[in-house]
Amino acid sequence: GAGVSQTPSNKVTEKGKYVELRCDPISGHTALYWYRQSLGQGPEFLIYFQGTGAADDSGLPNDRFFAVRPEGSVSTLKIQRTERGDSAVYLCASSLSPGAYEQYFGPGTRLTVT
Amino acid sequence: SQKIEQNSEALNIQEGKTATLTCNYTNYSPAYLQWYRQDPGRGPVFLLLIRENEKEKRKERLKVTFDTTLKQSLFHITASQPADSATYLCAHSGGSSNTGKLIFGQGTTLQVKP
Repeated sequence: GAGVSQTPSNKVTEKGKYVELRCDPISGHTALYWYRQSLGQGPEFLIYFQGTGAADDSGLPNDRFFAVRPEGSVSTLKIQRTERGDSAVYLCASSLSPGAYEQYFGPGTRLTVT
Repeated sequence: SQKIEQNSEALNIQEGKTATLTCNYTNYSPAYLQWYRQDPGRGPVFLLLIRENEKEKRKERLKVTFDTTLKQSLFHITASQPADSATYLCAHSGGSSNTGKLIFGQGTTLQVKP
């Protein structure tokens, strides 16, 4: 079956603009995660959804970042007033259930803020 | 803070040898550790999960150990092949075993030379 998909694969935006990044998890996976990865670093946790609700958003760096998952499947990560420091690869992952389960990652969206 | 460290220097070995990668964590004991492989431009791919009450886990040419006294996990690839060349990420569950939130190390790049 299909894996986790993310769109767009690349996004270039100007400082101060608003962007939306989309994640389509594996069908039936209730847990969905967003991570951010900078060059040479491991992924950094941002937010976790269990179903439609954000169960843990402790990794969101500030209130410019927001994510939704209104129907418990597709999720959108929204970044307002982008800054150059937001440039990174944004990874989405899903798992069958929260807890000690393997996570399936998408290919990521490379965001570049100029 | 919940820190997890991997050797940031690249590991270069000859084909056929055993590669050993190290993951150290501090401040508390995670409920489990996971190892992922990441190729350039792609999302991480799950390899193995080991729980705190398990000392060792194997899968084909891969072996992971978990030493809660040393706060360390070792990841071994036996009979290494050039196709094993990639970045390997260690991740732990943080203080919670039931959300799936992962805290990643920075990754170790393995280069297997023919």
